[in-house]
Amino acid sequence: GNSVTQMEGPVTLSEEAFLTINCTYTATGYPSLFWYVQYPGEGLQLLLKATKADDKGSNKGFEATYRKETTSFHLEKGSVQVSDSAVYFCALSLMDSSYKLIFGSGTRLLVRP
Amino acid sequence: EAQVTQNPRYLITVTGKKLTVTCSQNMNHEYMSWYRQDPGLGLRQIYYSMNVEVTDKGDVPEGYKVSRKEKRNFPLILESPSPNQTSLYFCASRGLGAGGSTIYFGEGSWLTVV
Repeated sequence: GNSVTQMEGPVTLSEEAFLTINCTYTATGYPSLFWYVQYPGEGLQLLLKATKADDKGSNKGFEATYRKETTSFHLEKGSVQVSDSAVYFCALSLMDSSYKLIFGSGTRLLVRP
Repeated sequence: EAQVTQNPRYLITVTGKKLTVTCSQNMNHEYMSWYRQDPGLGLRQIYYSMNVEVTDKGDVPEGYKVSRKEKRNFPLILESPSPNQTSLYFCASRGLGAGGSTIYFGEGSWLTVV
């Protein structure tokens, strides 16, 4: 079936450290891939997306590349800030009639000063 | 400003007391959907709607109802809430035309059933 697997958290980093959150997927066809972020007490915000293989999504210093050969969409940032502390969700969107998003379980990131 | 608005944001209710969570979007989107978020499970789709008067079940529809009488509104109805429906609920919408792949989420509704 279709699924998304994320690394378990929490991930704790010091400010200015390099961040990687792993995400792999299983899907039929060619899904679009997304990273959503949920700051404490807030809803979901789209962070970045990629709609086809080798596309790179980027926003606010975060990047992720759609790797079809490894079925991965790892999230990276070169230098995290305290304000990046949040829960990050990897998701895929099926191009079928449901248009639903299938989410990973989320990875909590805590950045310490 | 493009928005998906949910109400209430926070609610504590008792088992069996019917409640409705409203959702409204101002982007003229055809597609709307409800998700619930539970620890360790991410978000799971409850119901979705492709347009007015067109609704269908998602992955976890049991105990929920929806209606789509107007394009902008998609209320989630819990006829007889139970404690296992305690969760964080998100409404979402997207356009179905070209370039409409982004799904927009509301801010979430925290529901506690005691």
